[in-house]
Parts: sequence; structure tokens; C-alpha cells
Amino acid sequence: QQQVKQSPQSLIVQKGGISIINCAYENTAFDYFPWYQQFPGKGPALLIAIRPDVSEKKEGRFTISFNKSAKQFSLHIMDSQPGDSATYFCAASPYNQGGKLIFGQGTELSVKP
Amino acid sequence: KAGVTQTPRYLIKTRGQQVTLSCSPISGHRSVSWYQQTPGQGLQFLFEYFSETQRNKGNFPGRFSGRQFSNSRSEMNVSTLELGDSALYLCASSLAPGATNEKLFFGSGTQLSVL
Repeated sequence: QQQVKQSPQSLIVQKGGISIINCAYENTAFDYFPWYQQFPGKGPALLIAIRPDVSEKKEGRFTISFNKSAKQFSLHIMDSQPGDSATYFCAASPYNQGGKLIFGQGTELSVKP
Repeated sequence: KAGVTQTPRYLIKTRGQQVTLSCSPISGHRSVSWYQQTPGQGLQFLFEYFSETQRNKGNFPGRFSGRQFSNSRSEMNVSTLELGDSALYLCASSLAPGATNEKLFFGSGTQLSVL
């Protein structure tokens, strides 16, 4: 019940295309859903986050779509660039436990020029 | 503003030894969390500290321990090292626990190799 399942494991997108990464969870106590980006040799960096009271949040080229009834959320990267090539992690945490993130397995994104 | 600082960056130990990793959070951040990252298990939560008290603990054996000092700096210790403890250990800090302060900022980690 503590798992967050992420797909796909790897993704190849052409420059300018849309990258879509999906996550699903089971624990209804989760109420905070961030996405992290990690480059080799670096720690994860927060990209964007959402709470279940909204269905979509957009920040620049990054959009989270959230479906509370299906217990699914996804990251859309519009106009993908080679510099977006990295590993992306979805995560979730229970209410008021933001330091305790349950991470998905990660998606390795490669954006081809 | 300096980010989360972890030392050392790389560490090589042998089985049975113990190791201590250090983390300095972002100035003003009072909550520190630790994570283990491996290719097989991904990112797994170890523990979280706030005001020198362990607030949350993940599903790791008692060989993994941590502490936080009054200046919010934190250390984690792994005793009786096993080969499977080889991993990237990440520290993350946030302002404080609570719904409005949940942005975690990660350091670059300490890469531990157990031989």
C-alpha cells in the first residue's frame, strides 16, 4: 500500500516533442505528490508538486495532471529539449510527513536533437 | 544561499566496518531527511529529524542510525557494513515539517562502496 508505481522505465523523445511519465499509488493517505529531476552525479531536484485538491498544475513547460479517483498522476514535459535528458522520479507522502517521500522507480528520459 | 552539503563525497569501506556520513542543511532549514539510492531498490527513505528528534523512520535495520545537532546539522551512521549497503546516500533538508514546508532540497550525496 506504500508503493508508487512509475512508468515507463525509459523514454526517448524527439526535440520539441511531449514527454509523458505516469505514476499510480494505492495509499489514500498520500496528499502531496512531487516530481523530481536527477542528473548523473547530482541529487534529485524538485520540479513541480501538486496536492489532491487540484487536477492540474502548470509551471513553464512542466505540467502535472492528477486524477484522484483513479489514484494516478502524470508529468507532461512540453517542447522537450536535450537539456531535459535526465531521470525523473514521482513521489508521494502522507499528510504532514513531507520529509518521508515514497518514490517511484524512476524514468530515464532521453531527448534526441 | 548555499545548498545542502554532504561530506564526504565518496567513501570506500570494507565489510564489518562502520561509517559516519555528514549533512549540513540549507541555512534556516531545521528538518533533515536521509535516503538511500541504489539501482535495484531506487530511492528509499531512511529517517527524518527535526529539532534533534527522529520524527519518522523507514524500514531499515537498526544498523542504520542518525542524529541531529542543535545547529540542524545531521549525521547518519551505518554499523557492521554489508556489501548490500553500497549505495548513494542522500540528505535532504526542508524548512520544517508541516503541510506548507514540504519542499525537500537534496544534496549531491555520499557514494559509499563496501568491499
